[in-house]
This record gives sequence, C-alpha cells and structure tokens, in this order.
Amino acid sequence: GAVVSQHPSRVICKSGTSVKIECRSLDFQATTMFWYRQFPKQSLMLMATSNEGSKATYEQGVEKDKFLINHASLTLSTLTVTSAHPEDSSFYICSASGGLGGTDTQYFGPGTRLTVL
Amino acid sequence: KQEVTQIPAALSVPEGENLVLNCSFTDSAIYNLQWFRQDPGKGLTSLLLIQSSQREQTSGRLNASLDKSSGRSTLYIAASQPGDSATYLCATPSNDYKLSFGAGTTVTVRA
Repeated sequence: GAVVSQHPSRVICKSGTSVKIECRSLDFQATTMFWYRQFPKQSLMLMATSNEGSKATYEQGVEKDKFLINHASLTLSTLTVTSAHPEDSSFYICSASGGLGGTDTQYFGPGTRLTVL
Repeated sequence: KQEVTQIPAALSVPEGENLVLNCSFTDSAIYNLQWFRQDPGKGLTSLLLIQSSQREQTSGRLNASLDKSSGRSTLYIAASQPGDSATYLCATPSNDYKLSFGAGTTVTVRA
C-alpha cells in the first residue's frame, strides 16, 4: 500500500514552453502533497505544500507564478513549470501524506527528470 | 530552522564490511527521523523511521540509532553487499510536517 506515482518519468522540452507533471496517490487519499526539487548531488529542497481544495503554500524563493500547483482531488496534484528555462532542469519529486502512516508520514513518488533545452 | 548534515558525502567499502552512516541535526526537538535510500535517477525508498521516543529501529541488516541530545542519528548496515550501493538520505520533519533533508551519503560497495 501507499504507492505514489508520477507522470511523466522524463520530459525534454524547449525553452519557453510549459510542462505539467502529475503526482497521484494510487491506493490512499492524500490530504497533503509536497513538491521537491533536487539538483545533481544535492539534497531535496521543498518547493511547496498543497492541500486538497486550497491554494499551495510556497517556500521562500520559489516563484508561485512560475511553478503552478493544483491539488484538485485527494489523489492528484499537478505541478506546471511555466515558460521553462534551462535553469529549471532538475529532478522533481512529489510526496503524499494521509495514508496509513497518518499525516506525519510522506510517501514519495519515483520522480520526474525535466530537461529544458 | 532545522539544518541536517550528512558526513561523509561519499563512502567506498569492500563487500562484507559494515557501513556506518552519520546524520546530524541542529534542532534536537524532533518528532521523528527517517532514513531513505535513493538509487541514481530514482525516487526515495523509506528504510527506517525512528520516533522521537525511540533510541533505535532495526530492519534486517539495517539498524538506525537516535540520540536527540547530541543531535545525531546513525545508520548501520551490516555485511554490506554490492546491492547496497546507493545514496542514503536522512530527514526530519518540522512541526508543520515539512521534511528537512541532508545532502546524502553516496555508498559504493566493491565486489
């Protein structure tokens, strides 16, 4: 149980285009979803926290107009990178909480590798 | 703000040797501490979670200890195997459930 999927696993896009990444909790209802970014050989950095039906809370330094987050249902959150640039190339990982582990356990997705040319 | 540090950044050992991975945190008022494994280009696999009231947790060849007073946790992997090669991350949540991660220790087990 407590499986989180992400789609796509890899995406390559041209500079200036927008990319949408989906995060789904497959077998539980996720009251909260988190979005992280990880640069090579660095740790995961939290970008934003989203609760179903409400606006996401962004961490300091993360542009909310550039990284649009929608948590429309208890099993789906999306991250849209708008007008992507090469510096947005990174590994994006989502996590979800609200399964059997309760609100203090996050279950992580497999990640999405974004490359912006 | 919680700061989590993992030293060393990389470690290489021969197969069969025991591994000792260190994690330190600045704010000792933690709820729990979690160890994860990350394979290259992949997401995170949870290995062990230690609650703040616990001193250690064990799962198979893995044992994690927690010393809140000194702000440290240690992950021990007994009798290492090449399949243990990966990056190991520790993380601890703040009171709003946001996780603070260390940068990880990349382990290579040589056959």
